[in-house]
Amino acid sequence: AQSVTQPDIHITVSEGASLELRCNYSYGATPYLFWYVQSPGQGLQLLLKYFSGDTLVQGIKGFEAEFKRSQSSFNLRKPSVHWSDAAEYFCAVGLIQGAQKLVFGQGTRLTINP
Amino acid sequence: GAGVSQSPSNKVTEKGKDVELRCDPISGHTALYWYRQSLGQGLEFLIYFQGNSAPDKSGLPSDRFSAERTGGSVSTLTIQRTQQEDSAVYLCASSSKLAGYNEQFFGPGTRLTVL
Repeated sequence: AQSVTQPDIHITVSEGASLELRCNYSYGATPYLFWYVQSPGQGLQLLLKYFSGDTLVQGIKGFEAEFKRSQSSFNLRKPSVHWSDAAEYFCAVGLIQGAQKLVFGQGTRLTINP
Repeated sequence: GAGVSQSPSNKVTEKGKDVELRCDPISGHTALYWYRQSLGQGLEFLIYFQGNSAPDKSGLPSDRFSAERTGGSVSTLTIQRTQQEDSAVYLCASSSKLAGYNEQFFGPGTRLTVL
């Protein structure tokens, strides 16, 4: 069965530092890949998605992610974090294009030190 | 425009009682999804509606859980004879055919606590 692994449960970085959140998936074909962010008490907001084409995708709030087929990874990056980026980040995969259920990783909680 | 709304935002109930959770999707979104977010299990898919039909209900954990959607809009998730392990945040999402269903828009969730 398909699965998504986010190896880091909790990450702390200093404001202004760079960030990389890891995501690995297990699936026979290339899945549809998503990163969502959840602020405390809020629903999930889509940061970016990858379906095909350029493997480096740009999202909102200055985030980007790179799809690496050979590593089955879709890591999220930001060159300089802001205190407002503190939140929980979820990687998710969908197996087909179109209406579909998403399979989520366990999430990575990001804390920002001032 | 209005996003996905869910009610109530919080629900505390006693073990054995039935609860109903409501989701109002974004207007015009034909696809609607329910997920459950709990500490031990993370974010789990429960059920997906296309219009009023549920082509995928594979995530419903037991027959105590049911959901319906009427008029291609509002959906209700019902949990009968609640158990403590049902305590979680229940999230609803919707997506649009016009956008190829490529993005699911999530509501703020209903936090259910079963005492």
